[in-house]
Amino acid sequence: AIQLTQSPSSLSASVGDRVTITCRASQGISSALAWYQQKPGRAPKVLIRDASNLESGVPSRFSGSGSGTDFTLTISSLQPEDFAAYYCQQFNSYPRTFGQGTKLEIK
Amino acid sequence: QVQLQESGPGLVKPSETLSLTCAVSGYPISTGYFWGWVRQPPGKGLEWIGSIYQSGITYYNPSLQSRVTLSVDTSKNQFSLKLSSVTAADTAVYYCARDGHYYDGRFLGGDYWGPGTLVTVSS
Repeated sequence: AIQLTQSPSSLSASVGDRVTITCRASQGISSALAWYQQKPGRAPKVLIRDASNLESGVPSRFSGSGSGTDFTLTISSLQPEDFAAYYCQQFNSYPRTFGQGTKLEIK
Repeated sequence: QVQLQESGPGLVKPSETLSLTCAVSGYPISTGYFWGWVRQPPGKGLEWIGSIYQSGITYYNPSLQSRVTLSVDTSKNQFSLKLSSVTAADTAVYYCARDGHYYDGRFLGGDYWGPGTLVTVSS
């Protein structure tokens, strides 16, 4: 199974900060990666699909990049509603796998 | 608008079988896509359980494969999960979701999730 390693596992930041979360795959997955945001008590919400395609309705301050084994999710200017958990998931092969998550907290 | 909704018992006894159903609206599952299940133990991360195609083709998480069975009912536009011999470690919020795949160079799916349902394993 392809392992996804996210870093950091937690992050404290302030409103207006630029934040980057990374996801590294144990083997190449082309661009078959999605990023999700999850708030407490809610289902994950897709932000980015195919590594860099912004989902309709998602603010443009979110962006994704990468291919192969190294991927990043960047939030250009943190807003109060962005404090949540973030997960990557690979769709290159079965079994599907998730990163362990990054909890983004207010500093 | 595609919507998914999980249903099933919120409490299951140890050693018994957990059974959940995901009703899909706004999209005929017979049209395509794999449809899957993901779970999240309290305070922990997401774990993929398995996915099923409308024809019945299935893929399972190797760590759960011996206990998991997925099925699909296209006439009711729903798919189901059975997890046998449950223990407290199976206590989690269970989500159903539309899986993603590439077709003709385009990535499709990986988008819609149900709201989730908490299943507690306890006597």
